[in-house]
Amino acid sequence: KAGVTQTPRYLIKTRGQQVTLSCSPISGHRSVSWYQQTPGQGLQFLFEYFSETQRNKGNFPGRFSGRQFSNSRSEMNVSTLELGDSALYLCASSGDPGTGGGQYFGPGTRLTVT
Amino acid sequence: QQQVKQSPQSLIVQKGGISIINCAYENTAFDYFPWYQQFPGKGPALLIAIRPDVSEKKEGRFTISFNKSAKQFSLHIMDSQPGDSATYFCAASIRTGGSYIPTFGRGTSLIVHP
Repeated sequence: KAGVTQTPRYLIKTRGQQVTLSCSPISGHRSVSWYQQTPGQGLQFLFEYFSETQRNKGNFPGRFSGRQFSNSRSEMNVSTLELGDSALYLCASSGDPGTGGGQYFGPGTRLTVT
Repeated sequence: QQQVKQSPQSLIVQKGGISIINCAYENTAFDYFPWYQQFPGKGPALLIAIRPDVSEKKEGRFTISFNKSAKQFSLHIMDSQPGDSATYFCAASIRTGGSYIPTFGRGTSLIVHP
């Protein structure tokens, strides 16, 4: 099976702009989670979608949002970008999130805000 | 508030040696404990995981030791190899909204010298 894919891999944006990142999960996986990884805060959970519904949400401001499509592909959006939003954004999919079977991460999108 | 404390932050081991990474948690509601390995430019990859009803789990050269009463768990890498050089993250997961959501430690950068 193909792994989790994320596009784009690298992105440079200016403060105040908005950005949309895309994630395609492993075929058959219905759960998609998003994480922010920074040197200062480490890996932090943003939100999780399952069958097009947001099931869990981390402690991030409302500027961070997401959605999931019927084919399980997911997008996350960050509006009104701030310098502190510069990070590696990781998407992870899971085939059976209720059993704790682990998540499969994509390579991430490196976002730089200038 | 750091819910999962990981140490050491960095570790240097000679080839063939044992690498030990420790994690501690506070929330007794955590009930799934995965370890992830991350190489530069890649997303984290699930290495091994344990549930609190088991005190030890071994997969190849990787072993998790779990002490429920002390709320601590550790990763042991036996016969460490240069190819093991990576960043390792422990996580503690709690089931919420039908899925296991992990809280990650800050990571340990492991360097194995040949």
